[in-house]
Amino acid sequence: DIQMTQSPSSVSASVGDTVIITCRASQATGSWFAWYQQKPEKAPKVLIYLTSSLQSGVPSRFSGSGSGTEFTLTISSLQPEDFATYYCQQGNSFPRTFGQGTKVEVK
Amino acid sequence: EVQLLDSGGGLVQPGGSLRLSCSASGFTFSDYGMNWVRQAPGKGLEWVSTITLDGRNTYYADSVKGRFTISRDNSENTMYLEMNSLRAEDTAVYHCVKGYTSFDFWGQGTMVTVSS
Repeated sequence: DIQMTQSPSSVSASVGDTVIITCRASQATGSWFAWYQQKPEKAPKVLIYLTSSLQSGVPSRFSGSGSGTEFTLTISSLQPEDFATYYCQQGNSFPRTFGQGTKVEVK
Repeated sequence: EVQLLDSGGGLVQPGGSLRLSCSASGFTFSDYGMNWVRQAPGKGLEWVSTITLDGRNTYYADSVKGRFTISRDNSENTMYLEMNSLRAEDTAVYHCVKGYTSFDFWGQGTMVTVSS
């Protein structure tokens, strides 16, 4: 199984800040890597798929990068609606696995 | 507009059974793999199961293998999760999810509570 280690587990930030979340996989995942945003009591929604492809309708301040076993989600110029929990996920092999989540909180 | 309506959750005793359903609309259901992903209260996301677009291949998390069965009826645009021998640790919101390598649309979820 591919284990996903996501960091940090939480981050305090202000509107306008740049936030970087990292996910490390225990094995290479190819390009099959995605990022999700979840707000309280809501279903997750995909932000980034195939490592760096922006899902339709997602603001361009969200970007993804990485390769091999290290992947990054960058939120540039954090907006009030971006305070949420973020998860990474690998789709290279079964079982599909998620990171533990990163909560972006108001500083 | 893509819609996934998951249903069938409820309160069940340990060892009991439930059948979840996911009714899909707004896309060509038979063109996509489908999944169940769960989230225990206050916890993170856990992938449960995937079924390929034609239903020929299924995959399960070790935690549910042998107890849960995923299936689909492409003529009815519906996916199912048959859950047997339920345990307290299966308590979670279960989401129906569209996609295969990534999950591009999620249902709102149906709550399953396993408790005596």
